[in-house]
Amino acid sequence: DGGITQSPKYLFRKEGQNVTLSCEQNLNHDAMYWYRQDPGQGLRLIYYSQIVNDFQKGDIAEGYSVSREKKESFPLTVTSAQKNPTAFYLCASSPDTDQPQHFGDGTRLSIL
Amino acid sequence: QKEVEQDPGPLSVPEGAIVSLNCTYSNSAFQYFMWYRQYSRKGPELLMYTYSSGNKEDGRFTAQVDKSSKYISLFIRDSQPSDSATYLCAMEYGNKLVFGAGTILRVKS
Repeated sequence: DGGITQSPKYLFRKEGQNVTLSCEQNLNHDAMYWYRQDPGQGLRLIYYSQIVNDFQKGDIAEGYSVSREKKESFPLTVTSAQKNPTAFYLCASSPDTDQPQHFGDGTRLSIL
Repeated sequence: QKEVEQDPGPLSVPEGAIVSLNCTYSNSAFQYFMWYRQYSRKGPELLMYTYSSGNKEDGRFTAQVDKSSKYISLFIRDSQPSDSATYLCAMEYGNKLVFGAGTILRVKS
């Protein structure tokens, strides 16, 4: 089945630690995205990538980093500079940036 | 003022009711309009996608867009307990997608 796989489902971070969230898609989509979802708020864009080896900052990129070395993969690193990382993180992809986005089932990150 | 406003609910209805979910927006540049359904601890699932004013129907779901009023709606007919979820509206212009905060819907059997 084609889709977007996010792992792990749950992740715990210690103070001062960097953690990496995985996102893999087998939909052959060019564009991929990372969002953060907090209770009572809409999804907020962290980073997006329109093509391999290229990515752009979204509205809340501070404290996060990404890479796009392969078309299928778009990992997100939450660095120690992100002071409020507890949230539900969603990865999405679309054939192009002007097409509807399809989402994975998210990773819930919490602080120990 | 947020670009997209959506009542968070919760909206509680009996099984079989017609549900109306709504969003308003302030930016007239929005061209594409979407509705997503999100179950607890899952990612959003695309329900409806439209780019023009008027109605679009898919099974029990009807999406309505009124660009002159900057208002979109999602109607669910014959609502079922399995429709209980959070419904997110989303709007796009210039490769930018803006989401509403979501409305929690509870359908009671």
